[in-house]
Amino acid sequence: GENVEQHPSTLSVQEGDSAVIKCTYSDSASNYFPWYKQELGKRPQLIIDIRSNVGEKKDQRIAVTLNKTAKHFSLHITETQPEDSAVYFCAAIYNDMRFGAGTRLTVKP
Amino acid sequence: NAGVTQTPKFQVLKTGQSMTLQCAQDMNHNSMYWYRQDPGMGLRLIYYSASEGTTDKGEVPNGYNVSRLNKREFSLRLESAAPSQTSVYFCASRLQGWTGELFFGEGSRLTVL
Repeated sequence: GENVEQHPSTLSVQEGDSAVIKCTYSDSASNYFPWYKQELGKRPQLIIDIRSNVGEKKDQRIAVTLNKTAKHFSLHITETQPEDSAVYFCAAIYNDMRFGAGTRLTVKP
Repeated sequence: NAGVTQTPKFQVLKTGQSMTLQCAQDMNHNSMYWYRQDPGMGLRLIYYSASEGTTDKGEVPNGYNVSRLNKREFSLRLESAAPSQTSVYFCASRLQGWTGELFFGEGSRLTVL
């Protein structure tokens, strides 16, 4: 099926710790896997994406890894800060763009 | 550039009423989408339009219709609103193809009483 599964649904960490969110996709997925951040009451915004010809991509404290064999990709946030608190969504393109159910990340000061 | 603009931002309807959500983008994008987001939930695709002149159903199309009026505009219509359609609706757009950032509008909060 055209599914994107995302875990965990909630994640609470102490400021400065790392956070990892994982997503799995089905066989028919595209070669493009973006991550979106949605702050309370705001629209989702792209924070990082990865194409299948690379295994990892970094942007400052954020990184995404892709394992095509296992059909999963992960978001890694290091040195978390309170402003990282938000809901994070993974996505994959089928004929359209489908999103995971989201992870609510809380960073405690 | 305004990006993706959707109207109205807020709307309260009574059960059985109809309404249309309007969406326009000024980025010359080919593909446009309508999602709904229920409280504490993820984004579920209602309908999308891969290019001007085409529309396709997403995950939750029942109770909705769409019109791709031209390349810029993609509207979502509720013919007979139901309380289950209370949600925040997001319009989004991106360039056609297998990659490319999805740009979202600010959202429209709809309440059906």
